[in-house]
Amino acid sequence: NAGVTQTPKFQVLKTGQSMTLQCAQDMNHEYMSWYRQDPGMGLRLIHYSVGAGITDQGEVPNGYNVSRSTTEDFPLRLLSAAPSQTSVYFCASSYSATGVDSPLHFGNGTRLTVT
Amino acid sequence: SQELEQSPQSLIVQEGKNLTINCTSSKTLYGLYWYKQKYGEGLIFLMMLQKGGEEKSHEKITAKLDEKKQQSSLHITASQPSHAGIYLCGADIKGAQKLVFGQGTRLTINP
Repeated sequence: NAGVTQTPKFQVLKTGQSMTLQCAQDMNHEYMSWYRQDPGMGLRLIHYSVGAGITDQGEVPNGYNVSRSTTEDFPLRLLSAAPSQTSVYFCASSYSATGVDSPLHFGNGTRLTVT
Repeated sequence: SQELEQSPQSLIVQEGKNLTINCTSSKTLYGLYWYKQKYGEGLIFLMMLQKGGEEKSHEKITAKLDEKKQQSSLHITASQPSHAGIYLCGADIKGAQKLVFGQGTRLTINP
């Protein structure tokens, strides 16, 4: 199994540009989530989904959109990139619909730089 | 997340020494997870603790959750270079569908 696959691995954007970070999992996991990792701040939850068609906001949702049209895919959209969105983004998934009684499986991350 | 505080934030130890990393919350932890991250890579799941007083071990790493379920510790015995990386604790604090993480502890092992 490939597990959780994130693309691209690296991306440079100019302020105001939009883009989509892709996330796919092949483990039939119900729960999927997006985190950003910044120095000294650990992982912060952006958006999450407990199943296809259901999404909700995490700690830092502003400037990001998500959708969950299939169980496998959970793309993260940056509508108008800002330098404050420079970060490493991680997608994660787990079996449980609650996402807290089974371990999260993480992708390898997307390193985004906004200039 | 400030809801989970990890200490220390950085740790340098001599190879072969023991070490402890702490993860503390002022609220009840409904599920506590420990992950390890090698520099520039994703997170690898280490252990999950759910019951007060629970203790789990994997190779030379032991994690405990206190009786009140508000603090967890990760202990590494006889550290090795392969233990180097960033250790993060994550927990469901509010009993909701969200896993929040501490700031992480950067562990360096000197030969």
